[in-house]
Amino acid sequence: GAVVSQHPSWVICKSGTSVKIECRSLDFQATTMFWYRQFPKQSLMLMATSNEGSKATYEQGVEKDKFLINHASLTLSTLTVTSAHPEDSSFYICSARDSSGYQPQHFGDGTRLSIL
Amino acid sequence: KQEVTQIPAALSVPEGENLVLNCSFTDSAIYNLQWFRQDPGKGLTSLLLIQSSQREQTSGRLNASLDKSSGRSTLYIAASQPGDSATYLCASNNAGNMLTFGGGTRLMVKP
Repeated sequence: GAVVSQHPSWVICKSGTSVKIECRSLDFQATTMFWYRQFPKQSLMLMATSNEGSKATYEQGVEKDKFLINHASLTLSTLTVTSAHPEDSSFYICSARDSSGYQPQHFGDGTRLSIL
Repeated sequence: KQEVTQIPAALSVPEGENLVLNCSFTDSAIYNLQWFRQDPGKGLTSLLLIQSSQREQTSGRLNASLDKSSGRSTLYIAASQPGDSATYLCASNNAGNMLTFGGGTRLMVKP
């Protein structure tokens, strides 16, 4: 149980393109979803936290107009990288939690974004 | 702000060795601590989760311990195998229910 599906797994696109990444909880309702960014050989850095039906909370230094997050349902959150540039190339990972309290986060397989 | 450190950053061992990965954290007011495995280009696989009230958790050849007072956790891997080669991440769960990750230990087990 507790499967999180992330799509697509790999995106290559031209500079200036907007890219949408989906994160779905397949067998549970995710009240909270998290988006992380990971540069090569570095650890995961939290970008934002989203609760279903609410605006996302962004970490310091993360541009909310650049990284649009929508969490419209209990099973789907999306991250849109707007007008992507080469410096946005990274590995993006989502996670989801099925309730409040200190329950484990369940992670997707990540999306590798390469901007040419 | 919680800071999580993992030592060593990289480790290479011959197959069959028992090994210990270390994780330290600055804020001992954690709710739980989790160990993950990450293969290159992949997401995270949860290995073990230790609640703040627990001292250790075991799963197969893996054993994780937690000492909140000293701000430390260790992941013990017994009889290492080449298939254990991956990056191992620890993460603390603190107030606000946020995970703070360490920098990871890249493990290479040589046949």
